[in-house]
Amino acid sequence: QVSLRESGPAVVKPRQTLTLTCTFSGFSLTARGMCVSWIRQPPGKALEWLARIDWDDNKFYNTSLKTRLAISRDTSRNQVVLTMTDMDPVDTATYFCARTLMVATSKMLDSWGQGARVTVFS
Amino acid sequence: QSVLTQPPSASGTPGLRVTISCSGSTANIGSKYVYWYQQLPGAAPQLLIYRDSLRPPGVPDRFSGSKSGPSASLAISGLRSEDEADYYCSTWDDSVSGPVFGGGTKLTVL
Repeated sequence: QVSLRESGPAVVKPRQTLTLTCTFSGFSLTARGMCVSWIRQPPGKALEWLARIDWDDNKFYNTSLKTRLAISRDTSRNQVVLTMTDMDPVDTATYFCARTLMVATSKMLDSWGQGARVTVFS
Repeated sequence: QSVLTQPPSASGTPGLRVTISCSGSTANIGSKYVYWYQQLPGAAPQLLIYRDSLRPPGVPDRFSGSKSGPSASLAISGLRSEDEADYYCSTWDDSVSGPVFGGGTKLTVL
């Protein structure tokens, strides 16, 4: 059974760096086609994809946020870490991690974590 | 502003059928698979439809997806109170190798 869980600070101050950890189980991030994405959702707003790390350690980022994001993995601990620098109140959102399956021409986020609510507040 | 346009709201009566549209272009919906995600109140999104019209295990056949040219639709038949949720369409953006989402449609069951 696939499971993902986000963890990190609930509150960060402006200009600080946010570090979120996604701990997962039920799949191997080194298996071909397996990836983990981060997605965020500001209160009352739509989903926004942030970043993805693949089975081969390739990394991809939202173009508009690329300079502020870094994604990495620890396969021995089944964890994916997202850092976002220079946090601003507009970054207040729920941050989700999701398993992303890249199988043939299918590219889907098929299992999601419960989300981590992050408020940027001084 | 998303490249995929959804109506902000939709509503329907229990037992009847409701359709949610997702409008894009030939560059996205017209040439890529469409995915639909359901987000129940206070919960994380979950995959509802993949590859335009396929349902993951456990998704009732009351939910169906279709696509025609640059537009896609999600239909829910036999509407139930527990279908009240936000629904998001999504396709893949090759330029960043990541998904793009529509603005979401809030479904109210009257």
